Amino acid sequence: IQLTQSPSSLSASVGDRVTITCRASQGIGNSLAWYQQKSGRAPKLLIYGASTVQDGVPLRFSGSGSGIDFTLTISSLQPEDFATYYCQHLYSFPPSFGQGTQLEI
Amino acid sequence: EVQVVESGGDLVRPGGSLRLSCAVSAFNVSDNYFSWLRQAPGRGLEWVSVIYHGGTTFYADSVEGRFTISRHISNNTVSLQMFSLSPEDSAVYYCARGCTKTNCYYAFDLWGPGTVVTVSS
Repeated sequence: IQLTQSPSSLSASVGDRVTITCRASQGIGNSLAWYQQKSGRAPKLLIYGASTVQDGVPLRFSGSGSGIDFTLTISSLQPEDFATYYCQHLYSFPPSFGQGTQLEI
Repeated sequence: EVQVVESGGDLVRPGGSLRLSCAVSAFNVSDNYFSWLRQAPGRGLEWVSVIYHGGTTFYADSVEGRFTISRHISNNTVSLQMFSLSPEDSAVYYCARGCTKTNCYYAFDLWGPGTVVTVSS
């Protein structure tokens, strides 16, 4: 299963609403996760099951979609949100990731 | 504190071997499943291998036959033995715990900080 994220990079400002999309090469139901990775750090799980927010993740992060098209939305960007975001399918083995979306100031 | 921490990364020559270790704290290796993932410089994330609760293992095609994942209940660690390394194996290697919540299977909910493997002559 191939995952294609768009855009590859995105410039935004604090307070903006931002949406990142992930398209799967085949239908995967709601079997999608999103991660945030800050420079030099390990990825952090944000969302699984396409829309369930992981414990401890701020509620400005939300996910939606099913089947082929999915979105990650940050409702009001905070300075700590500037990072690279990856989607990952949970549909079957082996797991694979999108190429990433770099969110820049 | 619940955490996993990798070690063992190093500079190794092509064709060489290396063993990575993942120390698990505040929960049991035997009750969870773990994966190794890697990220080449400036690149995205690549899943490498998994070991499940019962000990079953799987590998990415790119490392099948060269890498071996194992777990060590006595000292609560997970390891990745790597043979026949090539420059394409150079990356930050992460140990990650597999998520077990509903609709979360195959996701990774706890990651270590990573350990750097560089394969170069």
